[in-house]
Amino acid sequence: DGGITQSPKYLFRKEGQNVTLSCEQNLNHDAMYWYRQDPGQGLRLIYYSQIVNDFQKGDIAEGYSVSREKKESFPLTVTSAQKNPTAFYLCASSISQGRSYEQFFGPGTRLTVL
Amino acid sequence: DQQVKQNSPSLSVQEGRISILNCDYTNSMFDYFLWYKKYPAEGPTFLISISSIKDKNEDGRFTVFLNKSAKHLSLHIVPSQPGDSAVYFCAASISGNTGKLIFGQGTTLQVKP
Repeated sequence: DGGITQSPKYLFRKEGQNVTLSCEQNLNHDAMYWYRQDPGQGLRLIYYSQIVNDFQKGDIAEGYSVSREKKESFPLTVTSAQKNPTAFYLCASSISQGRSYEQFFGPGTRLTVL
Repeated sequence: DQQVKQNSPSLSVQEGRISILNCDYTNSMFDYFLWYKKYPAEGPTFLISISSIKDKNEDGRFTVFLNKSAKHLSLHIVPSQPGDSAVYFCAASISGNTGKLIFGQGTTLQVKP
């Protein structure tokens, strides 16, 4: 089955610790995205990557970092510089860069910083 | 600056009736629009889309209408079913751009049996 996997489903960390969220896709999609969802708000773009070894900041990139060393993988690191990291994080991918194809989403990771 | 707005946080309809979810946008450069459905603690799933060259797109019980002059789109669900109860997000993008989607805040639909 093709799809996007995010692990773990729930993640707890102490304040001040960096944490890395995993995102893997086997859809052979070029583009990958990270979003954050907070209660009562839409999805806000953190980072996106249109091709391996290249990525761009989204609307709320401060306090986050990413890498794209492989086409299938786009991990997101939530650093201690992120002031309000507790949120639901969603990874997505799309078939083509530069076109408005629909994005396919993973199941999400709920991060709680204690 | 909220470029895509869903002004109704929630909507409740009776099973079998029509559900109408609305979305407004401000950027006239948007030329592709999508609707996603999301259940709690899950990722959104794509529902239906429409290009700006059309004013209507239909897929089974779901129809999206686009009014470019008013910068408004709506999703119609007929007939509504209890399983349609979820959060619905509209999203917009610009073709030839980066593939980025701009999402609205979402509308929670409750379909009562």
